[in-house]
Amino acid sequence: DTEVTQTPKHLVMGMTNKKSLKCEQHMGHRAMYWYKQKAKKPPELMFVYSYEKLSINESVPSRFSPECPNSSLLNLHLHALQPEDSALYLCASSQISGSGNTQYFGPGTRLTVL
Amino acid sequence: KNEVEQSPQNLTAQEGEFITINCSYSVGISALHWLQQHPGGGIVSLFMLSSGKKKHGRLIATINIQEKHSSLHITASHPRDSAVYICAVGAEETSGSRLTFGEGTQLTVNP
Repeated sequence: DTEVTQTPKHLVMGMTNKKSLKCEQHMGHRAMYWYKQKAKKPPELMFVYSYEKLSINESVPSRFSPECPNSSLLNLHLHALQPEDSALYLCASSQISGSGNTQYFGPGTRLTVL
Repeated sequence: KNEVEQSPQNLTAQEGEFITINCSYSVGISALHWLQQHPGGGIVSLFMLSSGKKKHGRLIATINIQEKHSSLHITASHPRDSAVYICAVGAEETSGSRLTFGEGTQLTVNP
């Protein structure tokens, strides 16, 4: 199984809502990543978890809160988002963090903030 | 100047043509990745390179570490190859955990 799954596929939320994005992999990978991608732009790294611990936070606003409850699951909790946060949110995983490891990407969650 | 530069930004080809996409980078790297993104959004990792050349089906990727340059070639291109191709490098200084992405090359292959 070389698949990273993400739910939901699409999400529309208001600025006062609280929602969560979910990412799951069963490849035994110990590094998991959240990326944000705006239209016609490359992905931007948000967070990296290595062995279930947050290892990189790219100065992401606190309205985005990541969580890695176990080695297979990665969540991104959203609260009080702004319309400019509308984007495709991609999750990825790799065996461990580091360049010698291929990252496997999920299909993404397309988020619209009204 | 971006740390990772791709060219061309847009490329239109006829089915069957040989295609080359180039990537130049300015930082020390531990690995270079070529990724493919179809309009639906999902990203597929095509290659990871730290030296030499790799081939998978009709796709070939090469890297020249001294010149800090990589190329992705597609032989006998097909309309299903139409996608955005992204070059990304894992910087040595972060042990590659942080990928720096190029802006991508939009490839359209016409039948």
